[in-house]
Amino acid sequence: SYVLTQPPSVSVAPGQTARIACGGDNIGSKSVHWYQQKPGQAPVLVVYDDSDRPSGMPNRFSGSNSGNTATLTISGVEPGDEADYYCQVWDRTSDHVVFGGGTMLTVL
Amino acid sequence: QVTLKESGPELVKATETLTLTCSVSGFSLSKARMGVSWIRQPPGKALEWLAHTWWNDEIFFNASLRSRLTISKDTPKSQVVLTLTNMDPMDTATYYCARSVYGFWFDSWGQGTLVTVSS
Repeated sequence: SYVLTQPPSVSVAPGQTARIACGGDNIGSKSVHWYQQKPGQAPVLVVYDDSDRPSGMPNRFSGSNSGNTATLTISGVEPGDEADYYCQVWDRTSDHVVFGGGTMLTVL
Repeated sequence: QVTLKESGPELVKATETLTLTCSVSGFSLSKARMGVSWIRQPPGKALEWLAHTWWNDEIFFNASLRSRLTISKDTPKSQVVLTLTNMDPMDTATYYCARSVYGFWFDSWGQGTLVTVSS
């Protein structure tokens, strides 16, 4: 089965740029989606189809995908961005939705 | 406004069958390219996809749970129902339903419902 690998944690100071990686075999050939989940809340879609943002999502959130790594980039990090972030793909080979293990973003 | 809301028991016993209902509003389950997935999250752990149903009745399952899962939809009632048989304490989790439109990404989620399985 297809596996997505994320770092357990990323730390960044306010105002700086956070980059969260999501690794997978030839992930560049798939569409990657990203979710933000704050404690006790449901996930929220922040990026879909590698780099598109849902309506209303700040342009501080952006995504890229190439080769074996997809990346969620959060520019000008704010304290309110502190959350868990999950990447997700649809694996056509297995007809499965696959989530990464999640990355906890800490704003120092 | 699109909303999804999960309902079902908070506590089930091991070996019992769990039945959860996702009630949706703001969109039709029969509209082209609409779909709903069930996704769960054990306490402190990552998201795990369970099953998905599309507007055209195409269904997909997590293969590791396939033998225990069923998913169905009642379009007039705007509900999607998930059943998971032979519950185990390892199935303790918050269960979410989430909407997808066209592709397999989820733009709207329910608040989730915590299901605890007692041994």
